[in-house]
Amino acid sequence: GQQLNQSPQSMFIQEGEDVSMNCTSSSIFNTWLWYKQDPGEGPVLLIALYKAGELTSNGRLTAQFGITRKDSFLNISASIPSDVGIYFCAGLETSYDKVIFGPGTSLSVIP
Amino acid sequence: DAGVTQSPTHLIKTRGQQVTLRCSPKSGHDTVSWYQQALGQGPQFIFQYYEEEERQRGNFPDRFSGHQFPNYSSELNVNALLLGDSALYLCASSPGGPLNTEAFFGQGTRLTVV
Repeated sequence: GQQLNQSPQSMFIQEGEDVSMNCTSSSIFNTWLWYKQDPGEGPVLLIALYKAGELTSNGRLTAQFGITRKDSFLNISASIPSDVGIYFCAGLETSYDKVIFGPGTSLSVIP
Repeated sequence: DAGVTQSPTHLIKTRGQQVTLRCSPKSGHDTVSWYQQALGQGPQFIFQYYEEEERQRGNFPDRFSGHQFPNYSSELNVNALLLGDSALYLCASSPGGPLNTEAFFGQGTRLTVV
């Protein structure tokens, strides 16, 4: 079945550094979503992407819908301690499909 | 405006028992989806309800069933609980029908099967 891979699995960075993570699929997706989950909470939607090549920002976060439609990228600029959490990508092959989540990237920010 | 609320927050059940989890969607939302999140993994889609009908279903056995009420709230029922059913169960709601993928999640119900 459909599967998403996220890399890196975990990362430790210094406060103020920029962060990059990515998500890949074996099949073409027409929607990519990025979520953040804090401990004990449900995921919170950060950015939604609907067109190949689309670049969308939400504050210090920027996400891109890959040209091949098989990948997506999330960048966080000037990281701060509250960026700590698990970042999930999610996607759909078509609008009528169920949402598939990746395994997540765990981010730790060292003050 | 309350967001998505789930109850209970934590639950301990014995293998073989049945459990019912509840979800109230965000105000104005008519579509509810349920996910299972095992420790250290991403959420896995169980099913989605819209207009009181199951619209989509993930790869979960028939032991997992659900219901949506006229006020859009929803229940997830799991029968014959297995140890492997221990997980965080998340409810997500969205407005405008099943094609809107921008869902809001609740805090989840932590189910432990012993």
